[in-house]
Amino acid sequence: AQRVTQPEKLLSVFKGAPVELKCNYSYSGSPELFWYVQYSRQRLQLLLRHISRESIKGFTADLNKGETSFHLKKPFAQEEDSAMYYCALYYNQGGKLIFGQGTELSVKP
Amino acid sequence: ETGVTQTPRHLVMGMTNKKSLKCEQHLGHNAMYWYKQSAKKPLELMFVYNFKEQTENNSVPSRFSPECPNSSHLFLHLHTLQPEDSALYLCASSQDLGTSYGYTFGSGTRLTVV
Repeated sequence: AQRVTQPEKLLSVFKGAPVELKCNYSYSGSPELFWYVQYSRQRLQLLLRHISRESIKGFTADLNKGETSFHLKKPFAQEEDSAMYYCALYYNQGGKLIFGQGTELSVKP
Repeated sequence: ETGVTQTPRHLVMGMTNKKSLKCEQHLGHNAMYWYKQSAKKPLELMFVYNFKEQTENNSVPSRFSPECPNSSHLFLHLHTLQPEDSALYLCASSQDLGTSYGYTFGSGTRLTVV
């Protein structure tokens, strides 16, 4: 069955430290993966897609099919990065997007 | 307002009440979705609509009844809910089911069942 796992509920780092938010997926087909972010009192919004291989707000994520992972990374965390981060898997059956449990990132000054 | 708009923002209802959540999108998208976001749980997909037709019911109890009169509007009718149904209900839309460009989400309706 399709599944997205984010093993960390909370990740706390200091400003300027590197950040890695973990995401593992389970899917037999060719996965399309996303990271969504939800800042305090704001709506859930798309951060980046693996297919576009982009860097948004300094974040990058590489799809590793061998490890079935799509970890989100940033070399130097900023306080404004504090938010809930959700990894999501899109699969073609019915055009569904399923989410992981989310990881709360807290960046301390 | 552009994007996906959900009303009301907050709703408190008794277990015997009947209420409806509304979602409206002005993006020209053809697919719309209801998600449930509970504390300590992943977002749960509830329903999927494509061109007004329901394409997915993710084993949702019948006390939740969706309605999609057109591609721009989506409702979630609620009746005889339970306290465990208290959650944030999110609406989302996408260009169509075949897109992998991601979804646009509304701000959600915070539902409390008392």
